[in-house]
Amino acid sequence: GNSVTQMEGPVTLSEEAFLTINCTYTATGYPSLFWYVQYPGEGLQLLLKATKADDKGSNKGFEATYRKETTSFHLEKGSVQVSDSAVYFCALSVGGAQKLVFGQGTRLTINP
Amino acid sequence: DGGITQSPKYLFRKEGQNVTLSCEQNLNHDAMYWYRQDPGQGLRLIYYSQIVNDFQKGDIAEGYSVSREKKESFPLTVTSAQKNPTAFYLCASSLLTEFKMETQYFGPGTRLLVL
Repeated sequence: GNSVTQMEGPVTLSEEAFLTINCTYTATGYPSLFWYVQYPGEGLQLLLKATKADDKGSNKGFEATYRKETTSFHLEKGSVQVSDSAVYFCALSVGGAQKLVFGQGTRLTINP
Repeated sequence: DGGITQSPKYLFRKEGQNVTLSCEQNLNHDAMYWYRQDPGQGLRLIYYSQIVNDFQKGDIAEGYSVSREKKESFPLTVTSAQKNPTAFYLCASSLLTEFKMETQYFGPGTRLLVL
């Protein structure tokens, strides 16, 4: 089946630190991969996506590269800010199925 | 402004009561979805609809029902058969393209609590 595994949180960093949130997946076929972010009390927002191997998605200083050989899509940011504090979800979809499969989410807290 | 609205923001349910959560979108999207979010867990798909008057069960449809009478609207009813309804409910919508996953856009959510 299809599944997504994220590193367990919570993750706490200081402002300007380097961020990595690990995400690995299992999929039948060739998935599209997504990172969504959820700020406190809100719905999810798409942060970035990649639709084929070696694609790099990027947005707001965040990046993730679709690695087929390691079945991974790790989220990185070079210098985090307090405003990046949120819950981050990795997700996949396969083929034409209009359904997302989510990881459990990683809560990130950035201290000033 | 185009977007997805959900109401109410908070909803309280008494034992044995059915409650309905509203979801409206003005993005002209064909597909709409309902997800449930529990603390420390990812989102799980309850129901989805790709066209008016048609919908499919997701992974956790038991105890829930939906309707899709209009393209813009996809209300979710939490029935008394749902024994553990306390959760955060998120509605989403997307375009529908064959063989390609379109981005899903999410509403702000409704938090359902049992009295």
